[in-house]
Amino acid sequence: GAGVSQTPSNKVTEKGKYVELRCDPISGHTALYWYRQSLGQGPEFLIYFQGTGAADDSGLPNDRFFAVRPEGSVSTLKIQRTERGDSAVYLCASSPAGSYNEQFFGPGTRLTVL
Amino acid sequence: AQSVSQHNHHVILSEAASLELGCNYSYGGTVNLFWYVQYPGQHLQLLLKYFSGDPLVKGIKGFEAEFIKSKFSFNLRKPSVQWSDTAEYFCAVNSPGNKLTFGGGTRVLVKP
Repeated sequence: GAGVSQTPSNKVTEKGKYVELRCDPISGHTALYWYRQSLGQGPEFLIYFQGTGAADDSGLPNDRFFAVRPEGSVSTLKIQRTERGDSAVYLCASSPAGSYNEQFFGPGTRLTVL
Repeated sequence: AQSVSQHNHHVILSEAASLELGCNYSYGGTVNLFWYVQYPGQHLQLLLKYFSGDPLVKGIKGFEAEFIKSKFSFNLRKPSVQWSDTAEYFCAVNSPGNKLTFGGGTRVLVKP
């Protein structure tokens, strides 16, 4: 079946602009995760949704970052007033119900802030 | 907070050589452990996982890993690598909670 998809695959923006990154999880997966991977590092957790609600947002670096999942499927990560330090690959993962610990990753969105 | 360390950032070896990648984590409670692989141009894929039971876990493509609780370690091994094993390997732990904490990754280059 189809895996996790993320759009766009690449996003270039200017400092101070607003961006939205989209994640389509595997159909039927109730848990959805966002991670950020900077160059030369492993992915770092940002936020986790169980259904429509954010169950853990402890990884969001500051209030410029926000994510939603209004219908319990597609999720959007929103970054306001982007900074050059936000440049990274943003990864989305999903998990099926009853198997919360096995996460399936999407290809990521590479964000470049000029 | 949980932390994961991978001892080698880069490994270069020839085909048919044996591979062992180290991984240590900090959390002392119940843990679930994972190795993910990222082949060039591809997304992260699960290689193997440990939840409970036999501490020697076998994964895809001939990889295995051993959980040693007393050493807080989960090292990845493959007896004989192939050129196609060239990739970046990430160790991850998810305790407490559902979020994964990743190590910094190890880039493995297998020379044909």
